[in-house]
Amino acid sequence: DAGVIQSPRHEVTEMGQEVTLRCKPISGHNSLFWYRQTMMRGLELLIYFNNNVPIDDSGMPEDRFSAKMPNASFSTLKIQPSEPRDSAVYFCASRGSGGSTDTQYFGPGTRLTVL
Amino acid sequence: AQSVSQHNHHVILSEAASLELGCNYSYGGTVNLFWYVQYPGQHLQLLLKYFSGDPLVKGIKGFEAEFIKSKFSFNLRKPSVQWSDTAEYFCAVNARNQGGKLIFGQGTELSVKP
Repeated sequence: DAGVIQSPRHEVTEMGQEVTLRCKPISGHNSLFWYRQTMMRGLELLIYFNNNVPIDDSGMPEDRFSAKMPNASFSTLKIQPSEPRDSAVYFCASRGSGGSTDTQYFGPGTRLTVL
Repeated sequence: AQSVSQHNHHVILSEAASLELGCNYSYGGTVNLFWYVQYPGQHLQLLLKYFSGDPLVKGIKGFEAEFIKSKFSFNLRKPSVQWSDTAEYFCAVNARNQGGKLIFGQGTELSVKP
């Protein structure tokens, strides 16, 4: 089992540029979550999908952030335009069909630095 | 709104000392409770979880946690820590009737001195 796969692992970009983070969930999992981790705010849920449908995007900071899940095996989180305050580690997690009692499995994260 | 509070931001222990990390949550309904660990430079891994049954839950690496419903608490314990337990520990909660949304505490950094 390859686990949750995220790419890139590290991204350094300049303010104003578009950033796209990618996630491949564990095969067979039907829920996918995007989190952001910063020193100031800890771990925050940005958005999650069930069966490729966005369920709760209340954690998305602002319109510069968007997320898609075109199919069960791929999701993207896009920031356009990026700002220095977006610098953080972004984690993707997936979960099986057991519902809220099931475990979320986290990917290795993407460390984003916006200069 | 749900929230999770971890009382200790940074705990420093010597090897073989006992560990207890506090976690309290605020939500009146039925919850599922989790402890995750993040070793330096790595992603979050599940230590243990509780969703029903025996309120004393045993996890990996000798960790356990006790759910005390009346206190809205889910404290993590280990009788004897090792240097390799140095990591950040996160308590998380989701409400049974609100899908999969996990609310995390702010984390407790544990440093174990050899």
